[in-house]
Amino acid sequence: DAKTTQPNSMESNEEEPVHLPCNHSTISGTDYIHWYRQLPSQGPEYVIHGLTSNVNNRMASLAIAEDRKSSTLILHRATLRDAAVYYCILYSGAGSYQLTFGKGTKLSVIP
Amino acid sequence: DGGITQSPKYLFRKEGQNVTLSCEQNLNHDAMYWYRQDPGQGLRLIYYSQIVNDFQKGDIAEGYSVSREKKESFPLTVTSAQKNPTAFYLCASTDRGLSNQPQHFGDGTRLSIL
Repeated sequence: DAKTTQPNSMESNEEEPVHLPCNHSTISGTDYIHWYRQLPSQGPEYVIHGLTSNVNNRMASLAIAEDRKSSTLILHRATLRDAAVYYCILYSGAGSYQLTFGKGTKLSVIP
Repeated sequence: DGGITQSPKYLFRKEGQNVTLSCEQNLNHDAMYWYRQDPGQGLRLIYYSQIVNDFQKGDIAEGYSVSREKKESFPLTVTSAQKNPTAFYLCASTDRGLSNQPQHFGDGTRLSIL
């Protein structure tokens, strides 16, 4: 699976929007962009995924660059429960169908 | 509610002992996975199974074994051959393992050496 690059950590104030960036310059045409988050001592939780177009769901929005070499996860109003490690993953669905997790971005939310 | 149940939440292993971690899902998913997570690191794939009675090694299968006798169950055995078993173990499942399907995770088992 192709590699992604994310900042190690970010901070946000509560109730403000958060933009979490991800670079994936070697993405292939069949790679989906998946985002998961992991709270301490819990399993990862699926957030959102997309292929080419921007996507919205009840948790977040995903903005995908036109060349698909980068994407941004948008949390519209950060809450304390959004403090977690966020992983951006390229998922080709080929081979082992595994998700290849990097170190992600640790998001801190300030009350 | 559908989901993945992992047990136990905490497990301790003695020297030379095999231990088995349980993973059960009621999501009717075909594909199941076992990952290992070390502190401050991402997840690494141990084994995966796309269908009953079939499974494949992941990136770090040495010292581990699995079985898939039922669709809803995918237990992981950490054998005495695994010299550094202390880690957080996560089980996941997905519908047919396709790239546009999310994986659902359990809450993990934390394994430590006594």
